[in-house]
Amino acid sequence: DVKVTQSSRYLVKRTGEKVFLECVQDMDHENMFWYRQDPGLGLRLIYFSYDVKMKEKGDIPEGYSVSREKKERFSLILESASTNQTSMYLCASSQRRGYEQYFGPGTRLTVT
Amino acid sequence: LAKTTQPISMDSYEGQEVNITCSHNNIATNDYITWYQQFPSQGPRFIIQGYKTKVTNEVASLFIPADRKSSTLSLPRVSLSDTAVYYCLVGRYNQGGKLIFGQGTELSVKP
Repeated sequence: DVKVTQSSRYLVKRTGEKVFLECVQDMDHENMFWYRQDPGLGLRLIYFSYDVKMKEKGDIPEGYSVSREKKERFSLILESASTNQTSMYLCASSQRRGYEQYFGPGTRLTVT
Repeated sequence: LAKTTQPISMDSYEGQEVNITCSHNNIATNDYITWYQQFPSQGPRFIIQGYKTKVTNEVASLFIPADRKSSTLSLPRVSLSDTAVYYCLVGRYNQGGKLIFGQGTELSVKP
């Protein structure tokens, strides 16, 4: 069965901390994505990766970076967390762009 | 970039057919249209995908007119468990395009 896992369901961090959100997929998918979801704004794409060590900016990359050293793992990094980064973060993967995306359960991050 | 527009919310009753329309006036030639369903505290789940005309699976149908500037998700005979947010996604089939989710339509099914 298809599976995308995220390292934490809930996370509380302080302003200025460096935050790592990890995502792992077990489907050997080429593409992986990071979204954030906020009330009234729907899902917005932060970054995506179409191969190991390859990445492209999504619609709201500011304040974030990503890392993909292995095909199955895609990390989202908040270099210096700020309160406006409090959100639900969703990771997804797909075999190819435009194909069905499989989402993880999400990480609810609170920055205080 | 193909931006999408959906109604913010819709109400329905059990047993009715529900049609949710998504507008995507700037859709590109190699963009696909995909719909997802999301329940609270869960990630979105794929429902259906299409390129043109009509696609049907065990849970929904997707209607796409010839100009592809809009699409309609049709849910036959909804039940209370269909209460969720439905997202329209327009994206490139091949590498290089960006993926855009609509705002989402909050469907509420009443008994």
